[in-house]
Amino acid sequence: ETGVTQSPTHLIKTRGQQVTLRCSSQSGHNTVSWYQQALGQGPQFIFQYYREEENGRGNFPPRFSGLQFPNYSSELNVNALELDDSALYLCASSFGADTGELFFGEGSRLTVL
Amino acid sequence: GQQLNQSPQSMFIQEGEDVSMNCTSSSIFNTWLWYKQDPGEGPVLLIALYKAGELTSNGRLTAQFGITRKDSFLNISASIPSDVGIYFCAGYNYGQNFVFGPGTRLSVLP
Repeated sequence: ETGVTQSPTHLIKTRGQQVTLRCSSQSGHNTVSWYQQALGQGPQFIFQYYREEENGRGNFPPRFSGLQFPNYSSELNVNALELDDSALYLCASSFGADTGELFFGEGSRLTVL
Repeated sequence: GQQLNQSPQSMFIQEGEDVSMNCTSSSIFNTWLWYKQDPGEGPVLLIALYKAGELTSNGRLTAQFGITRKDSFLNISASIPSDVGIYFCAGYNYGQNFVFGPGTRLSVLP
């Protein structure tokens, strides 16, 4: 069984740039959720994708967007990067949009200078 | 919005000691989960609780779902060095998103 994999693991961008983060869900899982984890804090829900459509969104501006592909992998895109976007971005997969368990990848650490 | 509080924020214990931490909320949750996060890695699911009053064990870990549905507890018995990390609680209701607490940072002294 393949777990959740994310890429890249680390990246550095400058203010105003755009970034794309990628996630492959765990084998058998059809739902992907994205979380932002600032240093010293718990993960904050960004959005969830189920059957290639956004299925729930947290309190994040529209410049945070995503995609889910037919193979259930997903992308998180952030436009017009701000310094406060520096964080660990976690992808979590689950089987079904309303399951009570999430399985996380190791995250992509984004630094915005 | 919904928020979870975890206590203590951090703790230092001697190897072999038992550990207790808790998570509280002003809102009711139907599912409580406990995760552990090691430095540079994603959270790993430890225990999931689905029923008020439920007590579930996973090796040296025991977690309880509070009967008010507004809290949960995690206990670790006979701590070992690899228990070091940050422990997060998360609450979940059907049709809503997961809410995570700020974490309890555990340090184990040899």
